Amino acid sequence: GEDVEQSLFLSVREGDSSVINCTYTDSSSTYLYWYKQEPGAGLQLLTYIFSNMDMKQDQRLTVLLNKKDKHLSLRIADTQTGDSAIYFCAAIPQTGANNLFFGTGTRLTVIP
Amino acid sequence: KAGVTQTPRYLIKTRGQQVTLSCSPISGHRSVSWYQQTPGQGLQFLFEYFSETQRNKGNFPGRFSGRQFSNSRSEMNVSTLELGDSALYLCASSLEGGDRYFGPGTRLTVL
Repeated sequence: GEDVEQSLFLSVREGDSSVINCTYTDSSSTYLYWYKQEPGAGLQLLTYIFSNMDMKQDQRLTVLLNKKDKHLSLRIADTQTGDSAIYFCAAIPQTGANNLFFGTGTRLTVIP
Repeated sequence: KAGVTQTPRYLIKTRGQQVTLSCSPISGHRSVSWYQQTPGQGLQFLFEYFSETQRNKGNFPGRFSGRQFSNSRSEMNVSTLELGDSALYLCASSLEGGDRYFGPGTRLTVL
């Protein structure tokens, strides 16, 4: 199966940019997702990128994909205190089962 | 459009009991998948249903089962509960296995 890894913690100051990184192992992964989870809540779909893209921008969010290195990142511009949450990277491999493989999640703390 | 709803939001059970969780997908979505979230194992896939058929299953024991109804609502059942089944159970809906939208989850505590 797919292994997805993320660093566990990230702290940034309000107004700075945050960059959350993710690596995955299955090069056949077609779609790669970013989800946000706030305390006591479910997962909120933030954005996704298809494997034939290098970059996708959606308002304050920028996703970068390096297929060669199997590396995905999520940049949040002008980070706000409301962005404090756990961010999960998830991949769907093309081969095998059509389900999401999640990373461990990165806890983002925004310091006012 | 209403989002994914899950009931109940919280459950407390004792070892050996069984439990049924319910998920109503977004209107028009025919695929429902279930995930278990625990601090130790993270988010793990349980199973996926599409048009009342289970088309994908994760690596969980047979005590975990599910079904989907003709209106796309889904239930999952856990029999003979163990302490390790304590978790947040998340349901996700999608049109046909595309973008998955998650519900708020059911927090199950097994005592």
